[in-house]
Amino acid sequence: DAGVIQSPRHEVTEMGQEVTLRCKPISGHNSLFWYRQTMMRGLELLIYFNNNVPIDDSGMPEDRFSAKMPNASFSTLKIQPSEPRDSAVYFCASSPGRRFYEQYFGPGTRLTVT
Amino acid sequence: TQLLEQSPQFLSIQEGENLTVYCNSSSVFSSLQWYRQEPGEGPVLLVTVVTGGEVKKLKRLTFQFGDARKDSSLHITAAQPGDTGLYLCAGSKRGTSYGKLTFGQGTILTVHP
Repeated sequence: DAGVIQSPRHEVTEMGQEVTLRCKPISGHNSLFWYRQTMMRGLELLIYFNNNVPIDDSGMPEDRFSAKMPNASFSTLKIQPSEPRDSAVYFCASSPGRRFYEQYFGPGTRLTVT
Repeated sequence: TQLLEQSPQFLSIQEGENLTVYCNSSSVFSSLQWYRQEPGEGPVLLVTVVTGGEVKKLKRLTFQFGDARKDSSLHITAAQPGDTGLYLCAGSKRGTSYGKLTFGQGTILTVHP
């Protein structure tokens, strides 16, 4: 079975540019999570969806960040405009049904903003 | 202030040694998970514990959930170089929104051949 798929795996962009990260969750999983990982702050939850509906976006750093889940098999995390401090590894994870705590992570997108 | 405090942050040992990693909090958790992450990859779920006092074994790994559901430990017996990685504990805190996991800062384990 395919795991969580993320694209791109690496993204290098200049400050001020728009960045879009993509995620395809595991088929049948109805919860989707976006995380950011840095050396300083560790793994932080940005936002999560249940049945395509955003449930908690309290971790989204500011208005420059937005996330959508138009259907059960696709989600995007957009940063506009990007800043150097957004450089991090962004992970998408999904979980099945009621066992939301059993999360399956994708390989991540390493974002570098210069 | 970290909701979940892991110790030690770094652990460097020789193959064959035993080790224990701790995950502590002042809060009560509904469940607690342990993940392992290798460089360039996402975290991989190792185990979930949900009952106070619960002990789970996964080959050479033993996981324990504290009686009060505020702490957990991971013990590895006869460590091997393949155990090298970042170990993360994560928990679902009682009273927080459904689905929200909090992660500890991680323990970087290096096992030398």
